[in-house]
Amino acid sequence: DAKTTQPNSMESNEEEPVHLPCNHSTISGTDYIHWYRQLPSQGPEYVIHGLTSNVNNRMASLAIAEDRKSSTLILHRATLRDAAVYYCILRDSGYSTLTFGKGTMLLVSP
Amino acid sequence: SQTIHQWPATLVQPVGSPLSLECTVEGTSNPNLYWYRQAAGRGLQLLFYSVGIGQISSEVPQNLSASRPQDRQFILSSKKLLLSDSGFYLCAWGNLRDHGYTFGSGTRLTVV
Repeated sequence: DAKTTQPNSMESNEEEPVHLPCNHSTISGTDYIHWYRQLPSQGPEYVIHGLTSNVNNRMASLAIAEDRKSSTLILHRATLRDAAVYYCILRDSGYSTLTFGKGTMLLVSP
Repeated sequence: SQTIHQWPATLVQPVGSPLSLECTVEGTSNPNLYWYRQAAGRGLQLLFYSVGIGQISSEVPQNLSASRPQDRQFILSSKKLLLSDSGFYLCAWGNLRDHGYTFGSGTRLTVV
């Protein structure tokens, strides 16, 4: 799987938008961009995924650069419950496994 | 709806003792099943995955083994635990129709 680069940590205030960046300059044409998050002492939770177009769901939005070499996970209004480690992962299809990196630890202050 | 069950939630075992962790999935058939481990302060490491009954792929050579005796049951085992086997063990399932994995609630294993 192609590698992703994320900041080690980010901070946000409650009710403010959060933009979590991910660089994946070696992404291939068949790689999907996945985001998961892991709350303390829990298993990872699927957040969103996309291929080329921007995606929205009830949890977040995913903005994908036109050249697909970077993407941004957007939490529109951070809550204290959003404090977690966020993982950006490339996966080339439903047949391949998920490889987790170190992710970004998001800290949310009241 | 699909659910994944993993037990026990916590486990303390002496060095040299055997281990058996069970994971079951409900509400789906032919799932891909995965075992991950997260050591303290470390990332998630894929240990085993299975695409069908009796089919096991090992990602990392170690003191552990996995089995899939039934379509929706995945078992992680060890004959003799080491201190280095301590960690947070997570089972997950996925299928080819969508790209998301669903993780269980995990087992925190402490080997003493």
